[in-house]
Amino acid sequence: GAGVSQTPSNKVTEKGKYVELRCDPISGHTALYWYRQSLGQGPEFLIYFQGTGAADDSGLPNDRFFAVRPEGSVSTLKIQRTERGDSAVYLCASSQASRGGTGELFFGEGSRLTVL
Amino acid sequence: QKEVEQDPGPLSVPEGAIVSLNCTYSNSAFQYFMWYRQYSRKGPELLMYTYSSGNKEDGRFTAQVDKSSKYISLFIRDSQPSDSATYLCAMRSDYKLSFGAGTTVTVRA
Repeated sequence: GAGVSQTPSNKVTEKGKYVELRCDPISGHTALYWYRQSLGQGPEFLIYFQGTGAADDSGLPNDRFFAVRPEGSVSTLKIQRTERGDSAVYLCASSQASRGGTGELFFGEGSRLTVL
Repeated sequence: QKEVEQDPGPLSVPEGAIVSLNCTYSNSAFQYFMWYRQYSRKGPELLMYTYSSGNKEDGRFTAQVDKSSKYISLFIRDSQPSDSATYLCAMRSDYKLSFGAGTTVTVRA
């Protein structure tokens, strides 16, 4: 596709359930990011992939959160034992740049997670 | 204290007015300064990008960076109802983008 694709666009789940959010980046983009945006706030960094490896996962809030990118393209953000505080929009972005530089981040429309 | 602080808003202005948006930052390592626009229920899209201190113009938009004061601004001239959105300042030192909380702007026709 032309842009970053995220599925599902909306997910409602119950407290304690497991959730997977998928990101399909722009073809050829080596860098992939996950951000979380709570209501009325700016996006907060979660994790950065360069290729298949997580180069920086310092933004993951705790060990219930995990992300993979096994083939260097599609990424999945996994949340175990969801809590109401996990409710937010999860944004994925991809970039052509390897590190630093002026590589623009292209964002998807986000996956809106609601934990009841 | 957050690395990036943005004037909270919201702002409501009449069509044709100048909109002024501001952010301050504390991390001296930030080298790249951006403004993103985010429409409701959409992802952020890059609006302006600057590297050095000074002004950069793109049509009705002007971005200013003052590294000595750690202050950046975005000005929107002749604002239009289609400019109604949330504007996010963002900064990076390497690969990681740090965002402000966003300012929601409404331009009244």
